[in-house]
Amino acid sequence: AQSVTQLDSQVPVFEEAPVELRCNYSSSVSVYLFWYVQYPNQGLQLLLKYLSGSTLVKGINGFEAEFNKSQTSFHLRKPSVHISDTAEYFCAVSEVNRDDKIIFGKGTRLHILP
Amino acid sequence: DAGVIQSPRHEVTEMGQEVTLRCKPISGHDYLFWYRQTMMRGLELLIYFNNNVPIDDSGMPEDRFSAKMPNASFSTLKIQPSEPRDSAVYFCASSFQAAFGYEQFFGPGTRLTVL
Repeated sequence: AQSVTQLDSQVPVFEEAPVELRCNYSSSVSVYLFWYVQYPNQGLQLLLKYLSGSTLVKGINGFEAEFNKSQTSFHLRKPSVHISDTAEYFCAVSEVNRDDKIIFGKGTRLHILP
Repeated sequence: DAGVIQSPRHEVTEMGQEVTLRCKPISGHDYLFWYRQTMMRGLELLIYFNNNVPIDDSGMPEDRFSAKMPNASFSTLKIQPSEPRDSAVYFCASSFQAAFGYEQFFGPGTRLTVL
């Protein structure tokens, strides 16, 4: 069965600085990978996803992620964060053609410091 | 489309009472998921449906929890009797052809407090 590990539960970063949120996954088959964002008191919404093709995926709000099959990673990056990026970020994985459900990581809370 | 609709948004109840959470998925979506989110356990999948049929309920914590989907536009999650440890935010999400990497669309959640 697949699993997802988000290595950092909280990440503080200064406004306009770059950020990387780390995600590693485990699966014996091909996977789809996702990053979701949850703003305070809201549900989750999709930031970006990797299905196939180019390993660099661009999402909304200036975020991007790179799929690294050898490292089984899917780290999320943004070159310059804004106060409005304060949220919790969830990495998620599903197995291609094997399962309908997505397995979510425990989340990383991004704190933007002024 | 209005997105996934959940009601109520907040529910405060006393231990032992029955609680019913409601969800209206996005029209045309064929998958519906119920999740629970707590600080301690993060986001947990409780149960999901495909074309109104429960596919996997292995995440339902115990027999006090039950979920139904009588038609394509409505689902309920019921807790009877409720306990303080059931306090959490419960999310409903829907998706189209979830097995092919289609994203899940989440509702705003129901914050449940059991006293």
